[in-house]
Amino acid sequence: AQKITQTQPGMFVQEKEAVTLDCTYDTSDPSYGLFWYKQPSSGEMIFLIYQGSYDQQNATEGRYSLNFQKARKSANLVISASQLGDSAMYFCAMREGANTDKLIFGTGTRLQVFP
Amino acid sequence: DVKVTQSSRYLVKRTGEKVFLECVQDMDHENMFWYRQDPGLGLRLIYFSYDVKMKEKGDIPEGYSVSREKKERFSLILESASTNQTSMYLCATLFGGTYTEAFFGQGTRLTVV
Repeated sequence: AQKITQTQPGMFVQEKEAVTLDCTYDTSDPSYGLFWYKQPSSGEMIFLIYQGSYDQQNATEGRYSLNFQKARKSANLVISASQLGDSAMYFCAMREGANTDKLIFGTGTRLQVFP
Repeated sequence: DVKVTQSSRYLVKRTGEKVFLECVQDMDHENMFWYRQDPGLGLRLIYFSYDVKMKEKGDIPEGYSVSREKKERFSLILESASTNQTSMYLCATLFGGTYTEAFFGQGTRLTVV
């Protein structure tokens, strides 16, 4: 069963606008972590933001914020003031496991920012 | 900065060959992972290791094995390469203390002909 679901294969946003990339997850482990990664066409994986399951506040890193809704099991990435350089694949990931840490990824969302 | 190095950027192998993909990290991270990335399928976990000589199957282990004899090195082995194993392979590490960031290698583009 898919544990990380990204339902948007592709998204378009105009420069300077905000965009939300969706991510839902499924786990029965009370301790887990959620990540977002950016993969530009060069192929490198760039870490964007992390949210722990016990964190009270939503994580923010510059123009990136994570809209963490624990009861809904969603961890959407919000990018404010989009830039052309934000065009890339975006992956949501989850770390789970009480004794061994398993890190799994979603299928990704391709974001294209247009002028 | 943590550095994760994969032994090859590009690799071409023949069907039936035994293939070794190496991943080395220069930090003391307990957890290491091997993924394959295919268009539309995202990153799929093949195997992971949480300590030396300890390994667990991921979601798609068939046709692969792994070895972790030293903490810094995690090897992915294709016992008998097949064309459906043509893919991009990514290695990652995760520090067991804080868990807040996973670090990736540059990837190995493997083509099996």
